[in-house]
Formats: sequence, C-alpha cells, structure tokens
Amino acid sequence: QVHLIQSGAEVKKVGASVKVSCKVSGYKVSEISMHWVRQTSGEGLEWMGGIDPVDGETVYAEKFQGRVTMTEDTSTDRAYMELSNLISDDTAVYYCTTKELDYWGQGTLVTVSS
Amino acid sequence: DVVMTQSPLFLPVTLGQPASISCRSSQSLVHSDGNTYLNWFQQRPGQSPRRLIYKVSNRDSGVPDRFSGSGSGTDFTLKISSVEAEDVGIYYCMQGTHWPPLTFGPGTKVDVK
Repeated sequence: QVHLIQSGAEVKKVGASVKVSCKVSGYKVSEISMHWVRQTSGEGLEWMGGIDPVDGETVYAEKFQGRVTMTEDTSTDRAYMELSNLISDDTAVYYCTTKELDYWGQGTLVTVSS
Repeated sequence: DVVMTQSPLFLPVTLGQPASISCRSSQSLVHSDGNTYLNWFQQRPGQSPRRLIYKVSNRDSGVPDRFSGSGSGTDFTLKISSVEAEDVGIYYCMQGTHWPPLTFGPGTKVDVK
C-alpha cells in the first residue's frame, strides 16, 4: 500500500516560485514513477508531468515546459514539484500521484496573489 | 494531444436508479501493446480523485460492483447500476494510451435530484 502525504498550503506572489513536496511511505520513492496533476476551478484536472517508467526520464507537459521541475530525494523518500514564474492562473490544488494514478496525495492548495 | 469529451456534464440522479456517463476520445485508445488505457475517476466533494476503473473495465480494489466500465476504440461508458448517496461527486475519464500528455475529460457532476 502506497501513502502519499503532501506539504501544506502556500500563498505566493505573482512571479515567485513554489515547491510542493510529497512524502512516500509504503514504498521507496525510487520505486514509484511519480506524477503531478493540478486542479483549477476553470480547467478541471490537468496533468503536469511525471517519470516515464520505461526509461526513468521525467516528462513535462508542453504547457509547463521551462517553468516546472520535478525531482526526488531518495534519502527521505520525497518527491518535489517546483513551479516558477507564477501567475494568478496557477492558483490550484496540486496533487502527486503514481504513474497509474491509483494512489493520490491529499492535495496542496497554492494561491497566487498580486 | 488526445481530447477527451464527456456527456452529460451534469447528471441529476435518483437514489436507487441507474446512471450512465459517456466518454469519447478524439482518436482510438487502443495501444500498440493491445491494451486500451482508459480510466475512470471519482472525486467526492473535498477529496482527492480516486481511480475506480482502469483499462476500460477493471474495477479497482474496494470499488463496489455497482460500478462498471465498458467500451472500445473511442467510445466508453461508466455505469452505476443503482446510485447511492455516497456516489455524489464528479466523475472523470482519462486516457493514458497516447502520452505524454495524459489527458482528462472535463468531468461529469453527479448529484441527487
């Protein structure tokens, strides 16, 4: 059984960066191909990127290319998603999830204000 | 990118009655490995999404058997044989055949009449 516990809500200014963490228990983070999905009120569920289990490479959605970085810390079994140059439309709940999307974190609300 | 559409977007239901949600993809979801990577998710109010069905018709562990998935190619259906109060929420279909990106439908909101 995989459990994913995310960091708490964040409030950021336009132009800033945010880094959301996802603690894995039950498995090692290196055993999970972690993906990130966000949910905005206007766009529903939106895939941001994740690890391709075939080659271990991280793949990002074109929309977020250049602004998002997904990393892992195997010493703490944590995955991270950092989004830079925030705009107000980045206000959303961000979820970590497994590649098969069968396990999800509880979500992290990121609010971007001017 | 594969575009996923759902209908209806809002589904008022009567408890104890059946319900059905349609999902269509802009291209066939049959993968070269022979599988069809079409999933269904339920999102109850205030909760994270939960996967109900994977590869068209396989129920996840703990999912009641009143939920069933069917379809092929570009047309898929999620059925609830007898709606219960706990089924209220938003239902999403999602394709994983032609990734990246993974793409979701817009969601169908299920609520009691």
